[in-house]
Amino acid sequence: DAGVTQSPTHLIKTRGQQVTLRCSPISGHKSVSWYQQVLGQGPQFIFQYYEKEERGRGNFPDRFSARQFPNYSSELNVNALLLGDSALYLCASSLVAAQETQYFGPGTRLLVL
Amino acid sequence: AQSVTQLDSHVSVSEGTPVLLRCNYSSSYSPSLFWYVQHPNKGLQLLLKYTSAATLVKGINGFEAEFKKSETSLHLTKPSAHMSDAAEYFCVVPMNTGFQKLVFGTGTRLLVSP
Repeated sequence: DAGVTQSPTHLIKTRGQQVTLRCSPISGHKSVSWYQQVLGQGPQFIFQYYEKEERGRGNFPDRFSARQFPNYSSELNVNALLLGDSALYLCASSLVAAQETQYFGPGTRLLVL
Repeated sequence: AQSVTQLDSHVSVSEGTPVLLRCNYSSSYSPSLFWYVQHPNKGLQLLLKYTSAATLVKGINGFEAEFKKSETSLHLTKPSAHMSDAAEYFCVVPMNTGFQKLVFGTGTRLLVSP
């Protein structure tokens, strides 16, 4: 069975630009969460989506937004990119929102110049 | 609030020797706890999950962990390290505050030398 997939794998942007990252959950999983992992640190929670609705948000500015589609795939958008947004962005899926176990994709590595 | 502390930022072992990666948690009750592994330039893979069902939990790739409530710990062990075990290991606690999120420790980098 296919795991969580993310695209693109790598991305280079310049400051002030906007970026969209995509995630497809494991088949049958209805919840998608996004995490940011800055180099040398553990992942930090950004969003959780379930049934197309935002269920939770971490301590990130409004430049970060996301949405979930009827097929449960998700997009993460970041506007007005800053150098500090350079990170590995990880998507995780779970069967339902309350499920503790989350399965991660390979991530999208974003470099902001 | 629930949190986890990984006591070592780096652990170095020789191939074939035992591995011990330490994790302590802070919680008013016995939480669920996870260990995830991240190989270089890869995503996160679930290594094992502890619930309250048993104190000894077996994971993938020969890893296991023993929950000790008296020490508030879930240390990760493996009897014999392989070169392929070199990676970053994260101790993780799930938190449900109206929504589900994972709270990660700072990570332990395992180095395995021939």
